[in-house]
Amino acid sequence: DIQMTQSPSSLSASVGDRVTITCQASQDISNYLNWYQQKPGKAPKLLIYDASNLETGVPSRFSGSGSGTDFTFTISSLQPEDIATYYCQQYDNLPRTFGPGTKVDIK
Amino acid sequence: QVQLVQSGAEVKKPGASVKVSCKASGYTFTSYDINWVRQATGQGLEWMGWMNPNSGNTGYAQKFQGRVTMTRNTSISTAYMELSSLRSEDTAVYYCARVRGWYYFDYWGQGTLVTVSS
Repeated sequence: DIQMTQSPSSLSASVGDRVTITCQASQDISNYLNWYQQKPGKAPKLLIYDASNLETGVPSRFSGSGSGTDFTFTISSLQPEDIATYYCQQYDNLPRTFGPGTKVDIK
Repeated sequence: QVQLVQSGAEVKKPGASVKVSCKASGYTFTSYDINWVRQATGQGLEWMGWMNPNSGNTGYAQKFQGRVTMTRNTSISTAYMELSSLRSEDTAVYYCARVRGWYYFDYWGQGTLVTVSS
């Protein structure tokens, strides 16, 4: 199975700050990576697919980059409604595996 | 609009089985795979398996092989996930998710809490 790691596991930032989360795969997954946002008590929501493509309707302050084993997710200007846990997920191989998540809150 | 509506919360005893439903609307049910993902309280997301509603073909994570069965009823646009031999560690919220492209979970059900307790 492909193992996904994320860092940091949690972070606190101020409104307007740039926030960066990294995701690393245990083997080359090309660009077969998605990013999801999950708010408490809610289902995950797709934000980024194919490592860098913004899902329709998702604000442009969210972005993703990377390929191979190393990926980055960025919120360019943190907003109060961005408080959530963010997960990366690979789909290069079965089983589809998720990272452990990064919890983002407001300082 | 696309919606996946899941069945309600369940409480089961260890050793029992649970069957969760996921009713799709707003799109052609047989045109998109359905996957199941679970999440224990305070934990991360765990992928369980996939089903092609058109063919009925399925694939399961090794961890759940022999205990999980994914089926569908195309006449009512509903997918099902049945998990047997339940144990306390199976207590979690179970989600169905639609797959778009290769391979994004673009719509999710609201989740179904399954509690396994004696």
